[in-house]
Order: sequence, then structure tokens, then C-alpha cells
Amino acid sequence: AQSVTQLDSQVPVFEEAPVELRCNYSSSVSVYLFWYVQYPNQGLQLLLKYLSGSTLVKGINGFEAEFNKSQTSFHLRKPSVHISDTAEYFCAVRWSGTASKLTFGTGTRLQVTL
Amino acid sequence: GAVVSQHPSRVICKSGTSVKIECRSLDFQATTMFWYRQFPKQSLMLMATSNEGSKATYEQGVEKDKFLINHASLTLSTLTVTSAHPEDSSFYICSASPGQNYGYTFGSGTRLTVV
Repeated sequence: AQSVTQLDSQVPVFEEAPVELRCNYSSSVSVYLFWYVQYPNQGLQLLLKYLSGSTLVKGINGFEAEFNKSQTSFHLRKPSVHISDTAEYFCAVRWSGTASKLTFGTGTRLQVTL
Repeated sequence: GAVVSQHPSRVICKSGTSVKIECRSLDFQATTMFWYRQFPKQSLMLMATSNEGSKATYEQGVEKDKFLINHASLTLSTLTVTSAHPEDSSFYICSASPGQNYGYTFGSGTRLTVV
């Protein structure tokens, strides 16, 4: 079965430090990849997406992610985090031919402290 | 662009009653919308795919008679939780996409509490 793995359930980090949130998926067939952020009691906001083209994708709020086909990964990075980045982050994958369905990872709680 | 509006944001209802949640695409047409359920501190679980003008496609284990989905127009899908019970209390989120080259836009979610 196709699956999305976010190994880190929580990532604590100090403000202005860099951060990487990891995401791996189960199959290397054609995929579309997404990162979303969720603040408490809110819906999901799209940070960035990979559909095709350059494997390095830049998103909003200074985030970027790199699609690595050989490692089936799509890790999210930010060089310097802010307190306001504290939130839940979800990686999601749409496999080609799956009727537009998204499969989500279990989420990573990014906790930024002073 | 690509805004999805979801109402209500919060609802409290008595056990045994039904609750309707609306999901609207405000600036695009959506032939397909998705309904998710999220338990506290967990990921989103797809409940069903809502198809305009036809029956919804439910994921395995989701009771179609319990969670009624209607997608009567290209901009509106509704989820009705029928005969709600406390175990139905959850955060429900809808999403839609303007097209294949776009991401999926999510509504702001509905917190349902059944008492």
C-alpha cells in the first residue's frame, strides 16, 4: 500500500536556527508532492508543492523542499525559523492514477522557542 | 485565488440530531471535493470524494448512511452527519482543487461536538 512517513512527530528548535522536517513516501512512480501547515483549530495552508520540473521548490514563509526521487523523499527546510512558525506540518502525496486523492503523513509538530 | 469556504466553523449538537456542514469553492468550479476527518493530534483521514452530479465515493470503513454527502453544484458540497453521537465529535475539513496543476485548497474546518 502507498504510504507517507513523517518520522519526527515533534521537532523542537530555537528561534533563528535552521530546521528540516523529513518526509518519505513509499513508491517512486509518478507523484505530486505537497507540504501543508496547520495552526490550531484551522484548516491547512499550502506551503509548497512539487508537480514537475526543478527538484528544489520554494514556498511561502521562507520554506523550501527538495524532491529526491531515488530516496523517495521530500524534506522541508527553512534556514532560520521564527516563533510564528510553531505549528503542525503535514506532508502529502498524490500518486498518479489515484483519482486525485491525497495521502497525508502523520504530521510533525514544529515547536520554536526563544 | 482558489479559496474554499467552510461553514460552520464550530457546532455543538445534541446526540441523535443531524448536522450539515457546507463547503464552497468561492472563485473556481470544483467537480470534485474531498471530505476529511481529523482526530486530536492526528493526521487527516480521507472520508469520501464528492463528485458533482453523482454519488460520492466513500473510503473503506466510512458509513455512507451516517455521513451523507451532496454535491449539487460546481461550487457547493455538503456533509451531513446523521443521528450524531459523541464518537462523531471531531474536526471535519473539506478541500478542492482548481485543476491538476494547482495544489489542493482546504477549508478552515468545522469543529463538531456532540453532547
